[in-house]
Amino acid sequence: NAGVTQTPKFQVLKTGQSMTLQCAQDMNHNSMYWYRQDPGMGLRLIYYSASEGTTDKGEVPNGYNVSRLNKREFSLRLESAAPSQTSVYFCASSDVGETQYFGPGTRLLVL
Amino acid sequence: QKEVEQDPGPLSVPEGAIVSLNCTYSNSAFQYFMWYRQYSRKGPELLMYTYSSGNKEDGRFTAQVDKSSKYISLFIRDSQPSDSATYLCAMSGPSRGGADGLTFGKGTHLIIQP
Repeated sequence: NAGVTQTPKFQVLKTGQSMTLQCAQDMNHNSMYWYRQDPGMGLRLIYYSASEGTTDKGEVPNGYNVSRLNKREFSLRLESAAPSQTSVYFCASSDVGETQYFGPGTRLLVL
Repeated sequence: QKEVEQDPGPLSVPEGAIVSLNCTYSNSAFQYFMWYRQYSRKGPELLMYTYSSGNKEDGRFTAQVDKSSKYISLFIRDSQPSDSATYLCAMSGPSRGGADGLTFGKGTHLIIQP
């Protein structure tokens, strides 16, 4: 039981490049979330998926897209990376009404 | 005004001391209150959660919620060097998981000196 896994662990991009961050959970949770964590800003919600087939914007969705591929997987895509998207990205999952469990994070540097 | 305020620290205390970590919030709709611990370069891990007002104890950790003052606390007794980490408070409305996500404080960096 791996919990929440994220790939890659670390990535360097040039401005304008695109990439997809992958997240998978093996806890059979319905809800999944993407957060970013920046120094002095705390964790902020980018997008979430309350259940398979649905996605909704969080606090800071601009510049991102998401796909809930199936119940296990929830990906985050940067179509044209910008230096302001340099951050640590965390995926989380929860069952309906239950607490969230976080993955180990992806550190992204955009040059 | 941010929805959740948390002193970033660092807070440095000697081993064995009682640690008090706090958050204040402005949204009276919050009903579930959580504390996460985050070690450097790791993901947050859930430590405690409390529903509405009151206390909850788990080993060396005690969480307190005072909804009338919009104030939550985490106490760590007999602190250990392994408790050195960043502690994040988090809150949600009607559901513990936060159907639309959790609202986090910025985190307090805690250092326990051996």
